[in-house]
Amino acid sequence: GQQVMQIPQYQHVQEGEDFTTYCNSSTTLSNIQWYKQRPGGHPVFLIQLVKSGEVKKQKRLTFQFGEAKKNSSLHITATQTTDVGTYFCAGNMGDMRFGAGTRLTVKP
Amino acid sequence: DAGITQSPRHKVTETGTPVTLRCHQTENHRYMYWYRQDPGHGLRLIHYSYGVKDTDKGEVSDGYSVSRSKTEDFLLTLESATSSQTSVYFCAISDVWTLTTGELFFGEGSRLTVL
Repeated sequence: GQQVMQIPQYQHVQEGEDFTTYCNSSTTLSNIQWYKQRPGGHPVFLIQLVKSGEVKKQKRLTFQFGEAKKNSSLHITATQTTDVGTYFCAGNMGDMRFGAGTRLTVKP
Repeated sequence: DAGITQSPRHKVTETGTPVTLRCHQTENHRYMYWYRQDPGHGLRLIHYSYGVKDTDKGEVSDGYSVSRSKTEDFLLTLESATSSQTSVYFCAISDVWTLTTGELFFGEGSRLTVL
């Protein structure tokens, strides 16, 4: 079936380092959403991207949607311990298909 | 946080027994969803509802059924639980269909273990 691939599966960084997670789809997406799930918690909506080439920023987080609307990325600048969690993308291909997530750990 | 309550939050059951998970919302959102979360798979859609008594299958619906008799309640039933259904189940709601701009609001999750 149609899938949204997300890499890397895990990322361990030193506090202050940058972090990026990538999502790729074999089909064109209507839009893509990003969610964050803290350890033991539930996914929480971060942002939605709709337009080709769209870039949105939320403080230290930068979200991009590819020109072909088949890929997306989330970049965190200067990670903090509060950024710990799993980041999921969810691509809209008729229904929302979630990537497997990237689990971020941050060493103080 | 959105007003979504899942019950039970934790359940251990035996293979072959029926299990029902309940999702209750106080947001009056039209759309409700059941997802399961497993390591390496992210969240996968089981069933969804677009109104009272209106439901449809998602990506991994085999072995599951749902019912929605009231706007606020969405039930997920495992008629005969199997070990492969051991998972964390999340209910989600949205006020618009996710085909357009629907942000999903998730409940706290229900952890089910089938022995």
